[in-house]
Amino acid sequence: EAQVTQNPRYLITVTGKKLTVTCSQNMNHEYMSWYRQDPGLGLRQIYYSMNVEATDKGDVPEGYKVSRKEKRNFPLILESPSPNQTSLYFCASSLKVHYEQYFGPGTRLTVT
Amino acid sequence: GDSVTQMEGPVTLSEEAFLTINCTYTATGYPSLFWYVQYPGEGLQLLLKATKADDKGSNKGFEATYRKETTSFHLEKGSVQVSDSAVYFCALHNAGNNRKLIWGLGTSLAVNP
Repeated sequence: EAQVTQNPRYLITVTGKKLTVTCSQNMNHEYMSWYRQDPGLGLRQIYYSMNVEATDKGDVPEGYKVSRKEKRNFPLILESPSPNQTSLYFCASSLKVHYEQYFGPGTRLTVT
Repeated sequence: GDSVTQMEGPVTLSEEAFLTINCTYTATGYPSLFWYVQYPGEGLQLLLKATKADDKGSNKGFEATYRKETTSFHLEKGSVQVSDSAVYFCALHNAGNNRKLIWGLGTSLAVNP
């Protein structure tokens, strides 16, 4: 089954404790992206990757890191989480940026 | 820069009512236009799309027509069901900015039985 998986689905953590949210797709897609969704602010892109070893900042990259060492995986790293990073996070992938994007189920992160 | 504006929600309708969710855009050239839907507790999924002027995208009873003269891509459905309750996002991709989609803020729809 074609899918994008994210883990964990829910995470409660404390300020400053490094964490990684994993994202994996099984569709051989080139383009991958991380979004955060906040009430009233819609979807905002954090980082994206056009292909392996090609990542770039989106609209709200501060406080986040990513890597794309393999085509299927695109982890999101929060080196020192802060409460303003409490949000719902989505990973997405597509064959190319303008093709249909497939979204993961979301990761709800709470930073206290 | 490019932008997408959607009508604010929430929109509340009774079952079998007619639905319109407005979407207008600002972009140079000829962008591709999309509607995505997010059901409660899930990620977004593509509902329909149109890639050139006057194209009509359709899926699951929903339709939207790419109107270049009014820079609009309004989503319509003739008879909504409770199962259509979701958040709907309009988005565009402009080939001149080949690196990302531009998203509207989303419109929440609640359909009551």
